[in-house]
Amino acid sequence: GAVVSQHPSRVICKSGTSVKIECRSLDFQATTMFWYRQFPKQSLMLMATSNEGSKATYEQGVEKDKFLINHASLTLSTLTVTSAHPEDSSFYICSARGDGELFFGEGSRLTVL
Amino acid sequence: AQSVSQHNHHVILSEAASLELGCNYSYGGTVNLFWYVQYPGQHLQLLLKYFSGDPLVKGIKGFEAEFIKSKFSFNLRKPSVQWSDTAEYFCAVNFRGTNFGNEKLTFGTGTRLTIIP
Repeated sequence: GAVVSQHPSRVICKSGTSVKIECRSLDFQATTMFWYRQFPKQSLMLMATSNEGSKATYEQGVEKDKFLINHASLTLSTLTVTSAHPEDSSFYICSARGDGELFFGEGSRLTVL
Repeated sequence: AQSVSQHNHHVILSEAASLELGCNYSYGGTVNLFWYVQYPGQHLQLLLKYFSGDPLVKGIKGFEAEFIKSKFSFNLRKPSVQWSDTAEYFCAVNFRGTNFGNEKLTFGTGTRLTIIP
């Protein structure tokens, strides 16, 4: 099946710095990718829909200036957490549609000190 | 607002026991329904899905689910579980015909399944 890869899988940063997470579709092209956030023992919450060549669509309550999404090519979307704070610590997961179904990346665990 | 509920937060079973995990949603319109599994340290993987047709759908690894429209439910079942089924299970729903769009999924809170050998 199709493969979606995220990098880095784990990142630790200081408060106030920015962190970029990459999401790649390895063997298919994805015009649309999705970014989710998963809190411990909770469900995945959709943050935004990333559209190749256009602006991302953010869900209600998600700060677009804080979570910058760029979908520069058909195989790459990036999520940048700007001026990160400890409350941004979470597990971020991306997904992309291939072969008629959604495939998920392995997730990126962000810890902000 | 549309929502997805999984009432079983943690289920513990012995091997060979039968499994049923509940999933309910709140929406009167057309839905697409999914069950995903997340094994420890691995990606979310699709177990099965329902779009239309036979409400009893069969997925991978012996899992099946039944869509009961009148009950707004899509419960996951397996007649005999194995230790390797230990994982987190998520129900997800795509609410068609709303401003959610065609590809957005709303996930339930997940059910942790522990199988005792």
